[in-house]
Amino acid sequence: QVQLQESGPGLVKPSETLSLTCTVSGGSISSYYWSWIRQPAGKGLEWIGRIYTSGSTNYNPSLKSRVTMSVDTSKNQFSLKLSSVTAADTAVYYCARDRRWLFDYWGQGTLVTVSS
Amino acid sequence: QSALTQPRSVSGSPGQSVTISCTGTSSDVGGYNYVSWYQQHPGKAPKLMIYDVSKRPSGVPDRFSGSKSGNTASLTISGLQAEDEADYYCCSYAGSSPYVFGTGTKVTVL
Repeated sequence: QVQLQESGPGLVKPSETLSLTCTVSGGSISSYYWSWIRQPAGKGLEWIGRIYTSGSTNYNPSLKSRVTMSVDTSKNQFSLKLSSVTAADTAVYYCARDRRWLFDYWGQGTLVTVSS
Repeated sequence: QSALTQPRSVSGSPGQSVTISCTGTSSDVGGYNYVSWYQQHPGKAPKLMIYDVSKRPSGVPDRFSGSKSGNTASLTISGLQAEDEADYYCCSYAGSSPYVFGTGTKVTVL
């Protein structure tokens, strides 16, 4: 059974860079797309972007200028960096396996708060 | 890329059927047969319920069904049960972006 686990700081200061890592267990990260999705408290889901294990990426146009994703197949991990954060970036961040065009496995989510 | 439109809430009594709509455009819902639906209980991660408009993953009860007409997709829950009370989100392939989610619908079992 594939499992995903997000990790990273729960508090980030405004204007700084949010960094999260998703560790995949129970299966190989190779030959799949992997996505990041976020959800502000009480609001809906927003797709942030995705990465293939080759390193190829697609980003949400509304976030593209601030998003960078990377993958480390040796560690079965992929990562998200979101720069110049503001309070509007406060949300629960999920990682998910992206199987064109559905998300079949999700992490439990991690709350990231942007505050000084 | 705007969010797909869903009703804010729907409700029904146990055993009844409810239908949630998901309206987009010809650039997303109407243009591709790649609509998926997710169930989310409070404090939990979303769970895939329907994919490719009408396909059910293994383990999802057949009470859940999906369909599409034009730019609107629908999720129907038949024989509503207490555990079906949750938020539901649609998601569509949208070309180069490539995903857009719906605004979400709260299902209440009366």
